[in-house]
Amino acid sequence: QKEVEQDPGPLSVPEGAIVSLNCTYSNSAFQYFMWYRQYSRKGPELLMYTYSSGNKEDGRFTAQVDKSSKYISLFIRDSQPSDSATYLCAMSGVNNFNKFYFGSGTKLNVKP
Amino acid sequence: DAGVTQSPTHLIKTRGQQVTLRCSPKSGHDTVSWYQQALGQGPQFIFQYYEEEERQRGNFPDRFSGHQFPNYSSELNVNALLLGDSALYLCASSLWEGGSSPLHFGNGTRLTVT
Repeated sequence: QKEVEQDPGPLSVPEGAIVSLNCTYSNSAFQYFMWYRQYSRKGPELLMYTYSSGNKEDGRFTAQVDKSSKYISLFIRDSQPSDSATYLCAMSGVNNFNKFYFGSGTKLNVKP
Repeated sequence: DAGVTQSPTHLIKTRGQQVTLRCSPKSGHDTVSWYQQALGQGPQFIFQYYEEEERQRGNFPDRFSGHQFPNYSSELNVNALLLGDSALYLCASSLWEGGSSPLHFGNGTRLTVT
């Protein structure tokens, strides 16, 4: 079993839709959670960084962490064609010294 | 504010050869991590350097080695290249805070082994 599971998609939505992206994980020691956006032939770009459980909002993006279910989500409101990319979740434990475990990524396509 | 820079952007090598990839971290960062990303997969942790020492290592063979310089820049070396080493190699920098700080990635070096 992989440490982090993520549906590869592709997920196709119309412009303006609310997008929900999700990851599940197996290691209860994970405390730090990140979401990245990766465009083709580019490196991952940090979108959200959260610690422990709860919600965090930044502009059109909301990250949710449910540690009891070992489940994290990223919501994108008013999605735009420029949001079309692969979204990666990543997580690490308290004393992991920045060793992060990544999901395999969900490919999102926002249609104009 | 200079972000993470990697060189070269692309590289083609033959099986059995050796390769060196280079990384300069984001300004103010002191920790460099290297990740391998195969096509259609998420990044996999190779190792991490802080204060010129390897601090953590993922499940990669000894053919993969690295170095960090006093100016925090880093190199990744891969010996005896295999076809399976073809991937995007990502460098990420962060702050060493004794816990976890978010990773900032460069655009990677795409290595093709023929």
